[in-house]
Amino acid sequence: GAGVSQSPSNKVTEKGKDVELRCDPISGHTALYWYRQSLGQGLEFLIYFQGNSAPDKSGLPSDRFSAERTGGSVSTLTIQRTQQEDSAVYLCASSLAGFMPEQYFGPGTRLTVT
Amino acid sequence: RKEVEQDPGPFNVPEGATVAFNCTYSNSASQSFFWYRQDCRKEPKLLMSVYSSGNEDGRFTAQLNRASQYISLLIRDSKLSDSATYLCVVNKGDTGRRALTFGSGTRLQVQP
Repeated sequence: GAGVSQSPSNKVTEKGKDVELRCDPISGHTALYWYRQSLGQGLEFLIYFQGNSAPDKSGLPSDRFSAERTGGSVSTLTIQRTQQEDSAVYLCASSLAGFMPEQYFGPGTRLTVT
Repeated sequence: RKEVEQDPGPFNVPEGATVAFNCTYSNSASQSFFWYRQDCRKEPKLLMSVYSSGNEDGRFTAQLNRASQYISLLIRDSKLSDSATYLCVVNKGDTGRRALTFGSGTRLQVQP
């Protein structure tokens, strides 16, 4: 079956521009997570959605970052006024319900801010 | 101090060798522990969960020491295909924080 998909796979943008990254989770997965991974670094948690509950935004690094999840499915991560330090791979993951160990990751969006 | 710490490596070992990685975590309230594997420029994938009593999956053995707050992964009879970065992952268990905390990973290179 279809896994987690993300688009675009690569995004190059100029400093100061806004970007939107999209995630399509596995059908039926109620939990959705965004992480980012800088070169040679571990994954950094950004935000977590579970069903209709208020999202856990505790990992968002600044108010330039926001995310939505519409209809309990597709999610969009928006970065406003991008900075060079935002350059990273942004990974989306989904899991079946609540907190489950097996999070299925998408291939990521590689963001480069010039 | 990082919440989850790992030796970044790389660990360069010959095929057939046994190799062990350790990981320490700082939050004693952590409840769930995992090892994920990440191939170069790919997404992480769950390798195995880590149970208090220790658990084995084929050539892979995971151990948890709650008193010392460390987790280990042992790989026996290493294969070339085991070459990857191994991520130690912890669920802090805090209410309201339900995502996983990933270590930076330990890179393994198995050589012919």
